[in-house]
Amino acid sequence: KAGVTQTPRYLIKTRGQQVTLSCSPISGHRSVSWYQQTPGQGLQFLFEYFSETQRNKGNFPGRFSGRQFSNSRSEMNVSTLELGDSALYLCASSPGQSTNEKLFFGSGTQLSVL
Amino acid sequence: GENVEQHPSTLSVQEGDSAVIKCTYSDSASNYFPWYKQELGKRPQLIIDIRSNVGEKKDQRIAVTLNKTAKHFSLHITETQPEDSAVYFCAAKNSGNTPLVFGKGTRLSVIA
Repeated sequence: KAGVTQTPRYLIKTRGQQVTLSCSPISGHRSVSWYQQTPGQGLQFLFEYFSETQRNKGNFPGRFSGRQFSNSRSEMNVSTLELGDSALYLCASSPGQSTNEKLFFGSGTQLSVL
Repeated sequence: GENVEQHPSTLSVQEGDSAVIKCTYSDSASNYFPWYKQELGKRPQLIIDIRSNVGEKKDQRIAVTLNKTAKHFSLHITETQPEDSAVYFCAAKNSGNTPLVFGKGTRLSVIA
């Protein structure tokens, strides 16, 4: 099976712009979670989608949003970019059938905001 | 919500020595505790996990222990090798539809 795929791998944007990141989960996985990784802050939870519905949301401002499509692919959007949004954005998929499942991570999208 | 504290933030050991990373969690309802390893420039990968119905789990050179009363769990790596050098993340979750909450990570360096 192909792993979790994230595109693009790298992005450079300027303050005020908006960005869309994409995540294709492992085939058959219905849950997609997004995390922001910054040096010293670890992995901070953004949101989780299951069957096109947002199941959980972390403590991020409303500029961060996401969605999931019927094929389980997910996108996250960040509007009005700020310098502090520079980070590695990781998505992770799991089957979604039970509550304590292994997460499979993608390689991430490295976002730089100038 | 859940809060996970991880210590130390950096750890250097000589090749062949043991390494221990400790985590504490706040939600007494948490019952699933995985550990992820992230090598430089790569994705995090699960290396071992433990559920609250057991106190210890081993897989070759790595082991995890759990103390539910004290709400802490630890990762033990024995006979460390250079390829063990990476950032290790602990995490915790309860049985509901809540997210996996991660610690801030420990950068382990194994010196040959």
